Amino acid sequence: GAGVSQSPSNKVTEKGKDVELRCDPISGHTALYWYRQSLGQGLEFLIYFQGNSAPDKSGLPSDRFSAERTGGSVSTLTIQRTQQEDSAVYLCASSPVSRGNEKLFFGSGTQLSVL
Amino acid sequence: AQSVTQLDSQVPVFEEAPVELRCNYSSSVSVYLFWYVQYPNQGLQLLLKYLSGSTLVKGINGFEAEFNKSQTSFHLRKPSVHISDTAEYFCAVRGGGSEKLVFGKGTKLTVNP
Repeated sequence: GAGVSQSPSNKVTEKGKDVELRCDPISGHTALYWYRQSLGQGLEFLIYFQGNSAPDKSGLPSDRFSAERTGGSVSTLTIQRTQQEDSAVYLCASSPVSRGNEKLFFGSGTQLSVL
Repeated sequence: AQSVTQLDSQVPVFEEAPVELRCNYSSSVSVYLFWYVQYPNQGLQLLLKYLSGSTLVKGINGFEAEFNKSQTSFHLRKPSVHISDTAEYFCAVRGGGSEKLVFGKGTKLTVNP
């Protein structure tokens, strides 16, 4: 596709429900990142994939959060038993390789609201 | 672990005035430094990056940034801003052998007529 695609763009859920957020990176991009953007908190790193492997998942806030990537392409971020503090914009980004010096291409994000 | 401090959460300026958005990072042997911009209702996009070489880096839309290793700073500047520069600006750093790109909390630049 032309850019990084995320779905849904908006998700409203009730506290305690599980949610799945999807990211379609740019075709051919091997590196994929998930970030969380909360008001006044900037971008918080969650997890990084190289291919289907996740060498760095240090940013996942709790064991309620998990992510996977299949076929070196689509990634899904799952939040179980959602809490109100999970409300944020979840951003996905991809890059062609990961040597440290290349730019990230960001999607428009999923706005998650937990009621 | 790397960290980034953006000293100003909000910066209001008048159109055609100069602006400097400040960024400091924690030290590492070698770092890559970035500025990203998020215009209202749009995704983040790269403004400029420092990898090595000249410490003065020029980016899109007339912005530039200067890498200062002794002060561990990477401040963003523009000599004359436009209304269209109103956006949130994020400084980011990657280094110390980590693949993680660490962002600051952002600075909201508001350009007033």
